[in-house]
Amino acid sequence: GAGVSQSPRYKVTKRGQDVTLRCDPISSHATLYWYQQALGQGPEFLTYFNYEAQPDKSGLPSDRFSAERPEGSISTLTIQRTEQRDSAMYRCASSLGRGSYEQYFGPGTRLTVT
Amino acid sequence: LAKTTQPISMDSYEGQEVNITCSHNNIATNDYITWYQQFPSQGPRFIIQGYKTKVTNEVASLFIPADRKSSTLSLPRVSLSDTAVYYCLVGDITRRDDKIIFGKGTRLHILP
Repeated sequence: GAGVSQSPRYKVTKRGQDVTLRCDPISSHATLYWYQQALGQGPEFLTYFNYEAQPDKSGLPSDRFSAERPEGSISTLTIQRTEQRDSAMYRCASSLGRGSYEQYFGPGTRLTVT
Repeated sequence: LAKTTQPISMDSYEGQEVNITCSHNNIATNDYITWYQQFPSQGPRFIIQGYKTKVTNEVASLFIPADRKSSTLSLPRVSLSDTAVYYCLVGDITRRDDKIIFGKGTRLHILP
């Protein structure tokens, strides 16, 4: 596609529910990143994929967070048993894969846990 | 990963040139300097990258002195629409697995 897209753009959920966020990267991009961004802060790394492989999950806050990219294109980020502290903007980015410093970000999903 | 230090916030006026300086005293030989811009309600956007001396594109210029321990992002003749957060990142751009740390960035506010 022309750019990185994410859905939904906004999600409100009750504490304890599971949520799944979706990212559709730029079609030629091998590498995909997930970030969490709190208000007034820069994006914080969660995990990344190189095609379908997930070499680094070190930024995932707990085992309630998981991500997939089964066919090396679209990715999902799932948060199980959501807690209020999970409320944040979740951003996806992709890059060609020749290096991680030129990334293209999507519009983000604003998650609110009530 | 080289740590960076940049001002938390800056104010300037329309039509002025704005310079944002980033310190990175422990930059490594293979590290590049990259700047991102983030408008309110949008994701960060790559704006410029350099290794040494000066890089210029249609958005900004990046000045890097010989010792590479700091860099300056220069925005010429800013307008209200340049109000954004600017992030300075330092790292090896050839490494696919280099975890990027955005930090808090510099919040630039352009006044009319």
